Amino acid sequence: DTAVSQTPKYLVTQMGNDKSIKCEQNLGHDTMYWYKQDSKKFLKIMFSYNNKELIINETVPNRFSPKSPDKAHLNLHINSLELGDSAVYFCASSRDSGNTIYFGEGSWLTVV
Amino acid sequence: AQSVTQLGSHVSVSEGALVLLRCNYSSSVPPYLFWYVQYPNQGLQLLLKYTTGATLVKGINGFEAEFKKSETSFHLTKPSAHMSDAAEYFCAVSAGGTSYGKLTFGQGTILTVHP
Repeated sequence: DTAVSQTPKYLVTQMGNDKSIKCEQNLGHDTMYWYKQDSKKFLKIMFSYNNKELIINETVPNRFSPKSPDKAHLNLHINSLELGDSAVYFCASSRDSGNTIYFGEGSWLTVV
Repeated sequence: AQSVTQLGSHVSVSEGALVLLRCNYSSSVPPYLFWYVQYPNQGLQLLLKYTTGATLVKGINGFEAEFKKSETSFHLTKPSAHMSDAAEYFCAVSAGGTSYGKLTFGQGTILTVHP
């Protein structure tokens, strides 16, 4: 069983569209994250949620809206997609905020 | 605040040779340090981590790293490279229990292994 699973793995969409990436973890972790890896492979945290509450929001445009319906899920919704949003988005989780972070397989988003 | 510098964006070794990937960090608090590996078109897999205690940590696939506070380094080594080690490696630092899970990554080092 995949510990942190995210869907879709690949997504190609046009500018201006709205899309969502779903993430689920079956590790029983309390904290979930979204990280973004840009075209130069630079990884940076976007959001962190602990027990469904937002802990970190790293100056991400408000077109990006994370939603955590429960501790096991953290979905990422993106409005009005722009070319610069093309990247790999990684969902991740940890037992608590100070522990090892486990990453999903990534979602490759291409905006055309 | 934390930062990570990985020296060398590309490292090339022969199969069977020593692998050394360099990582230096800066942190205003005692750091937690991590090495992750990313194979092409795949996610990040944890190789090893240092939190507290023994400064030499062993990870998966024969890798190990040593935390040297005086040098602010956490270099990754493997005595004998295998073709399957070819991947991109990321060093990361967090502020431990106060970090809220915020990892700061280095820019990555691509490891190429030649036959």
